[in-house]
Amino acid sequence: GESVGLHLPTLSVQEGDNSIINCAYSNSASDYFIWYKQESGKGPQFIIDIRSNMDKRQGQRVTVLLNKTVKHLSLQIAATQPGDSAVYFCAEYQAGTALIFGKGTTLSVSS
Amino acid sequence: SAVISQKPSRDICQRGTSLTIQCQVDSQVTMMFWYRQQPGQSLTLIATANQGSEATYESGFVIDKFPISRPNLTFSTLTVSNMSPEDSSIYLCSVVRALNTEAFFGQGTRLTVV
Repeated sequence: GESVGLHLPTLSVQEGDNSIINCAYSNSASDYFIWYKQESGKGPQFIIDIRSNMDKRQGQRVTVLLNKTVKHLSLQIAATQPGDSAVYFCAEYQAGTALIFGKGTTLSVSS
Repeated sequence: SAVISQKPSRDICQRGTSLTIQCQVDSQVTMMFWYRQQPGQSLTLIATANQGSEATYESGFVIDKFPISRPNLTFSTLTVSNMSPEDSSIYLCSVVRALNTEAFFGQGTRLTVV
């Protein structure tokens, strides 16, 4: 599968590959993190979340990993499909108020 | 979940004019927020819309430019005042039922200022 160690703005994969999208967050006090998917012309859609007392959480075809030591999040998508093509954002809660978004990664899946 | 209706979905406006964007939620929510997403960029928080009181603005955003109302627990408006082409962006309404829980987003308002 394709993976990126540092945040990259784009990621291109073949259908069926596993994708890994990385994100660095800024505030060591953040205790709740969410991955969002945004398709063209739409608002962000919730994919999966994780709280700071966990280091891994799995959903359907997606896994989020949290490394608090280096303030790093990753989203793993198994068996990537063309419908997964979108922009992916990580977001963190700071001070229990509003979500703060990281830079997005555009995932392109080719058949 | 929450169903959020944002109006208008898009608009083209003349510079110097103002546009008010409406956000209606299908049920009462604790918190409502407004974000801006410039072309090809991430989401930037403009302000937290507080029910019955002045909104709380983030650094770089001021009430004179982005007045916000929230008269009740299901409705908010954002006005983009005295628009310039630099205000061309997508403006998104977001709601949260409780602190540190999932935020839901409207479809956004795509604003073009000419």
